[in-house]
Amino acid sequence: RKEVEQDPGPFNVPEGATVAFNCTYSNSASQSFFWYRQDCRKEPKLLMSVYSSGNEDGRFTAQLNRASQYISLLIRDSKLSDSATYLCVVNQGGKLIFGQGTELSVKP
Amino acid sequence: GAVVSQHPSWVICKSGTSVKIECRSLDFQATTMFWYRQFPKQSLMLMATSNEGSKATYEQGVEKDKFLINHASLTLSTLTVTSAHPEDSSFYICSARVWGLAGGETQYFGPGTRLLVL
Repeated sequence: RKEVEQDPGPFNVPEGATVAFNCTYSNSASQSFFWYRQDCRKEPKLLMSVYSSGNEDGRFTAQLNRASQYISLLIRDSKLSDSATYLCVVNQGGKLIFGQGTELSVKP
Repeated sequence: GAVVSQHPSWVICKSGTSVKIECRSLDFQATTMFWYRQFPKQSLMLMATSNEGSKATYEQGVEKDKFLINHASLTLSTLTVTSAHPEDSSFYICSARVWGLAGGETQYFGPGTRLLVL
């Protein structure tokens, strides 16, 4: 079983759609959680940290459920510029463990 | 956020050549940097943790004699792929760890180096 598993993609959605990404992790001792965005042939960039209380940044909402070891990311009113691969990332003992990523393509 | 640079951004070399990649933190000091590798359509995989002034810690399955890491200053870590072979062709990315005021940590990534070994 992979340490961090994400929805297999790709997701193809129209502009304005709401899209949800799911992620599960296997190590219950994981300390912190993140969503990163990676554009084609570029480095990953931090989108947001994920907290148990849930957190929101504009159109992006992240949730963490430690009991079920589940992380989610919701994008509302998706834009063309949201097209990218979204990486679920877990910090285990100071090391970042990356999910395989879910590709999102937003179409006009 | 903090800026991390990598040099070179891409390398094409012949099999058997050694390739050196530099990772620099531009506006901050980083005691710890990390080296990752990403093959096409796959996720980033941690190769090693680079600590300033001490030996790097390698992940299982990563050959320390093939991937030499030097972290001689608080702003520079280097990865040398020795005697590169076609199977070493990949996207190599470094990151630098930054501690926040509240004690949380964030990793900032360099732009990556694409290595193609012919």
